[in-house]
Amino acid sequence: GQQLNQSPQSMFIQEGEDVSMNCTSSSIFNTWLWYKQDPGEGPVLLIALYKAGELTSNGRLTAQFGITRKDSFLNISASIPSDVGIYFCAGQRFTGTASKLTFGTGTRLQVTL
Amino acid sequence: EAQVTQNPRYLITVTGKKLTVTCSQNMNHEYMSWYRQDPGLGLRQIYYSMNVEVTDKGDVPEGYKVSRKEKRNFPLILESPSPNQTSLYFCASSPGTGRQPQHFGDGTRLSIL
Repeated sequence: GQQLNQSPQSMFIQEGEDVSMNCTSSSIFNTWLWYKQDPGEGPVLLIALYKAGELTSNGRLTAQFGITRKDSFLNISASIPSDVGIYFCAGQRFTGTASKLTFGTGTRLQVTL
Repeated sequence: EAQVTQNPRYLITVTGKKLTVTCSQNMNHEYMSWYRQDPGLGLRQIYYSMNVEVTDKGDVPEGYKVSRKEKRNFPLILESPSPNQTSLYFCASSPGTGRQPQHFGDGTRLSIL
């Protein structure tokens, strides 16, 4: 099955810095989602994007649905220690009544004090 | 509290010994899905179900079975587990046909020796 190209694979940043990560695909999606996974837990939804070009914020997080429908980015401003975790993008495609979710390979974020 | 509950959370077993991982959701969601997570590969869909008695293959269905006899439960069955099925497994659910973002359980770590 298809996978999304997510970059970077990992990031080491200092507290207070801004973070940017992105996902690209060779095919289009109807919806882009961003999840965060903490150790020992399942992914938790951060932001959902439903329209090409849409820019959505959730606190210090901002994500955009690329105009070509083949990419998305997530920005985190003024990072804090609890931002540590693995961030996954996911593209959702609807075919008839079915829905298929394809995940990126994840970006591991480490925040140092 | 809205939850997706998986059991067991951890299991170590041997090749060929049939096992079942249960998944239950209390949100009356129609759509349920199983994923496996492996290092460097992100989450890959195994099977999904649009509603009771309706199931379909995801990207990596080989070696797995599922059933959906009731709306709230979606067990994952490994009839004859093999070491390459050692992985972290997640169950997820969403309203409707899965077009809404999925909510994930906390995961089941399976080790097949």
